[in-house]
Amino acid sequence: GQSLEQPSEVTAVEGAIVQINCTYQTSGFYGLSWYQQHDGGAPTFLSYNALDGLEETGRFSSFLSRSDSYGYLLLQELQMKDSASYFCGIQTGANNLFFGTGTRLTVIP
Amino acid sequence: GAVVSQHPSRVICKSGTSVKIECRSLDFQATTMFWYRQFPKQSLMLMATSNEGSKATYEQGVEKDKFLINHASLTLSTLTVTSAHPEDSSFYICSPQRGGRSEQFFGPGTRLTVL
Repeated sequence: GQSLEQPSEVTAVEGAIVQINCTYQTSGFYGLSWYQQHDGGAPTFLSYNALDGLEETGRFSSFLSRSDSYGYLLLQELQMKDSASYFCGIQTGANNLFFGTGTRLTVIP
Repeated sequence: GAVVSQHPSRVICKSGTSVKIECRSLDFQATTMFWYRQFPKQSLMLMATSNEGSKATYEQGVEKDKFLINHASLTLSTLTVTSAHPEDSSFYICSPQRGGRSEQFFGPGTRLTVL
């Protein structure tokens, strides 16, 4: 089976930087993804890491260490609209995507 | 990104009735369809994986006779919740898979409320 752990809640100030960590356990691993979900909406894709290292996409960056079964999502220059839930997900051999418990980010002025 | 639709977006039904949820990938052909369920303030839980023209594979704990999945074409999959009960009230989200893509697209979701 698979298991993923993320902090349940994070609060940060507008304009600041926040890091959301994700640790996982799985027998088959192809990559780590991050998704954003606003209340009542569907998840939207943010990033994907198949190899170790940092991937940067605008204000968002994602990091993976396969040897540590660990990754994180880094959000810079936080905006109020970034308040949402963030899920890490691991992609297994059958392309199944299993999600972590989600981290609710609240950005305050 | 891909365009995925789900219908209905919201449904309220009485206990014991069946509800069908349709998921369509509008601009690509999905060889694989994932169905997820999300309870309030919880994560998305994978329910089943279906490949076009074959039987779905259900995750542990998901009753295949209760959640009927049909993936008859590359652009349409349906999830039927049979004999729905209040504990089935949830947010159901489909995710059609483009072969080999790391990015996964999701439908807008269907909020089911069983009275």
